Amino acid sequence: AQSVTQLDSQVPVFEEAPVELRCNYSSSVSVYLFWYVQYPNQGLQLLLKYLSGSTLVESINGFEAEFNKSQTSFHLRKPSVHISDTAEYFCAVRASGSARQLTFGSGTQLTVLP
Amino acid sequence: EAGVAQSPRYKIIEKRQSVAFWCNPISGHATLYWYQQILGQGPKLLIQFQNNGVVDDSQLPKDRFSAERLKGVDSTLKIQPAKLEDSAVYLCASSYGGVQYEQYFGPGTRLTVT
Repeated sequence: AQSVTQLDSQVPVFEEAPVELRCNYSSSVSVYLFWYVQYPNQGLQLLLKYLSGSTLVESINGFEAEFNKSQTSFHLRKPSVHISDTAEYFCAVRASGSARQLTFGSGTQLTVLP
Repeated sequence: EAGVAQSPRYKIIEKRQSVAFWCNPISGHATLYWYQQILGQGPKLLIQFQNNGVVDDSQLPKDRFSAERLKGVDSTLKIQPAKLEDSAVYLCASSYGGVQYEQYFGPGTRLTVT
């Protein structure tokens, strides 16, 4: 079975500052990793994913995440945040090569302050 | 392309009452998921359909929850009777195929049981 830990439930940050949202996972098998974003009153949207290949993955709106197998982490970063990035961010994991389901973390509320 | 539709968006009921939620997936998506998201937690899969067949319902409390997907399109999730601990957001998601395909989420139904 897989599990996901998001270490920070809330992260306030000023506009144009850098941010890192932390995600650690536990699994006895290889995994695929995902970050989802949930804007207020909207459904979850896939932000980025790691399936294989380069351990650094990027989204179209400037976020990036790096898969670190030795530290079992998949932290999300952005060098300069905007007010519009205010949302809840969920890290998720799925065992690779199987029909296993997504397991989500408890989420991190990112609030960007003016 | 229309997204995943859910109704109602909000529902308040008393414990021991019944409630039903409706989901209309993206056209052409064979796989449909229902998740339960309790406040402060990540989404938890309740049931997965492939067309109109159940693929995984291992986390569905079958003594009170039921779901169906007649004709392999729309789906209904029912709770009967509701308990206080059922207060949560119920998310519906759909994907083109199995778990290897991206899931698209609806806005959710927020259920409050008093």
